[in-house]
Amino acid sequence: GNSVTQMEGPVTLSEEAFLTINCTYTATGYPSLFWYVQYPGEGLQLLLKATKADDKGSNKGFEATYRKETTSFHLEKGSVQVSDSAVYFCALSRTTDSWGKFQFGAGTQVVVTP
Amino acid sequence: EAQVTQNPRYLITVTGKKLTVTCSQNMNHEYMSWYRQDPGLGLRQIYYSMNVEVTDKGDVPEGYKVSRKEKRNFPLILESPSPNQTSLYFCASSLASGGPYQETQYFGPGTRLLVL
Repeated sequence: GNSVTQMEGPVTLSEEAFLTINCTYTATGYPSLFWYVQYPGEGLQLLLKATKADDKGSNKGFEATYRKETTSFHLEKGSVQVSDSAVYFCALSRTTDSWGKFQFGAGTQVVVTP
Repeated sequence: EAQVTQNPRYLITVTGKKLTVTCSQNMNHEYMSWYRQDPGLGLRQIYYSMNVEVTDKGDVPEGYKVSRKEKRNFPLILESPSPNQTSLYFCASSLASGGPYQETQYFGPGTRLLVL
């Protein structure tokens, strides 16, 4: 079946450091890929998405590229801020055999210290 | 304001006492979905609905029921709750383009359920 694997946290960084969160997936066909962010006590918000191979999603300084050959969608940000402290979820949907299903990774907590 | 609302936000109940968590969206979205969030497991999809009267199972449907009689509402029903259903529940909605690309989901604020 379809699945998403992302690196475990927590990831602790100093302000202005470079952030990478790895995400790999297993899916049939060509899924849409997403990164969602959850701030403390809130629901999830879409951070960025990519709908086909080699697409790059970007938002708020975050970027991720849909790599079909490595089945990956790693999230990166060049210079993190304290306000980026949150839990980040990689997710996929729209695979060949599961039109309305979503699969999420386990989430990666990111803690940015001043 | 475009939003997904859930009620109640917090609920403590006892094993076997039927409960309903409501979800409503004001964005005229066709697609709605329920998830549960548990530590170390991320979000797991319970049920989803592509449109009115069209529902289907996600990855963890056991012990839950849903209905979609109106476009804006998608209640989650636990007919006989058990302690293993203690969790944080999220409702979400999106457009359903019908094409190959999934539209962005908008999430509600969550319902924290404790089953004793």
